[in-house]
Amino acid sequence: AQSVSQHNHHVILSEAASLELGCNYSYGGTVNLFWYVQYPGQHLQLLLKYFSGDPLVKGIKGFEAEFIKSKFSFNLRKPSVQWSDTAEYFCAVRGQAGTALIFGKGTTLSVSS
Amino acid sequence: DTAVSQTPKYLVTQMGNDKSIKCEQNLGHDTMYWYKQDSKKFLKIMFSYNNKELIINETVPNRFSPKSPDKAHLNLHINSLELGDSAVYFCASSQPGVVQYFGPGTRLTVT
Repeated sequence: AQSVSQHNHHVILSEAASLELGCNYSYGGTVNLFWYVQYPGQHLQLLLKYFSGDPLVKGIKGFEAEFIKSKFSFNLRKPSVQWSDTAEYFCAVRGQAGTALIFGKGTTLSVSS
Repeated sequence: DTAVSQTPKYLVTQMGNDKSIKCEQNLGHDTMYWYKQDSKKFLKIMFSYNNKELIINETVPNRFSPKSPDKAHLNLHINSLELGDSAVYFCASSQPGVVQYFGPGTRLTVT
């Protein structure tokens, strides 16, 4: 069965610090990979996605993620976080034959100004 | 011009009651979903409909019944509500194999 593991439950950073959130997935076939963000009290928004091609994908708000197939990983990065990045971050995977997303348990990012 | 909308946004009810949550999308997508986010913020798929036909039905109590009157609507009806049903329920839609767009969520509190 597909599963997604997010290593960091809660990350606390100061503004301008660099961010890397880990995500590993378990799936035997070709996958689509996603990072979603949920700001406090809001719905999920897509940050970025990987379907195929260049394994380094860039998303909104300066976020990027790198797909490393050999490590089954899709880590999220941002070189310099802002207070407004405080949110829940969810990694998700979908097998190409499937439709529903399988989510990780999320990482809470708290950025202090 | 809301893409995926849900009503109500908040729902507080007592155990044993029956309630419904409505979802509508104006994106022309063929597939709609219901996800449940528990108190630990873990998101899990409940149902998926493609063109009004059920295609995913995860291990969900049969007190939960999705209904899709047309491909733009996917409603969730819950019978005999229990305390453990308290959660945030998200509707989403997509074309098959493409990005899913999520609604604002419905926070259900069962007392």
